[in-house]
Amino acid sequence: QKEVEQNSGPLSVPEGAIASLNCTYSDRGSQSFFWYRQYSGKSPELIMFIYSNGDKEDGRFTAQLNKASQYVSLLIRDSQPSDSATYLCAAIDSWGKLQFGAGTQVVVTP
Amino acid sequence: GAGVSQSPSNKVTEKGKDVELRCDPISGHTALYWYRQSLGQGLEFLIYFQGNSAPDKSGLPSDRFSAERTGGSVSTLTIQRTQQEDSAVYLCASSSDSGMWTSSYNEQFFGPGTRLTVL
Repeated sequence: QKEVEQNSGPLSVPEGAIASLNCTYSDRGSQSFFWYRQYSGKSPELIMFIYSNGDKEDGRFTAQLNKASQYVSLLIRDSQPSDSATYLCAAIDSWGKLQFGAGTQVVVTP
Repeated sequence: GAGVSQSPSNKVTEKGKDVELRCDPISGHTALYWYRQSLGQGLEFLIYFQGNSAPDKSGLPSDRFSAERTGGSVSTLTIQRTQQEDSAVYLCASSSDSGMWTSSYNEQFFGPGTRLTVL
């Protein structure tokens, strides 16, 4: 079992709608969580990080963390075609190592 | 300033040959990481450097893989006797301090990667 699990998608979202991405992790000792965006053929870039239970908003992005249920999610409001990418969830595990999920492909359709 | 750079951007090699992949981190970044990303997969951690030392080599898949870092800057990942399963994109990242061994996190900035194809 991978430490960080994501649905591979693709997740098809109409332009202007909300994209909802989910991620679960197995290491209960994980404390810090990250969402990276990776365009096809490009390297990952950090878009959100969250440490505390609850919601964290940054522009059109909202990260949600529930440590009791061991899941973290990312909401993208007012989705745009430029949001079409693969979104990687990552967590720092008990050993301090950054563990990545396989990523969820998001396709925003005009 | 300049970001993380990697060379070559693409490498095609024959099975059994050795390859060297290079990473130039952001100037002043003490921590450097190598990852591998196979098609449709997430990032697989390979090795991490703090300065010139490698406290964590646990991700290296086999003894055919080795890496070094000199002068606290440039790093080279070497794959000996390449196999077809080594084909992947090899990504390098750097950060201003090691977030791996502390409770804090310093953002890892990724290079563009080297696409390795082993025929």
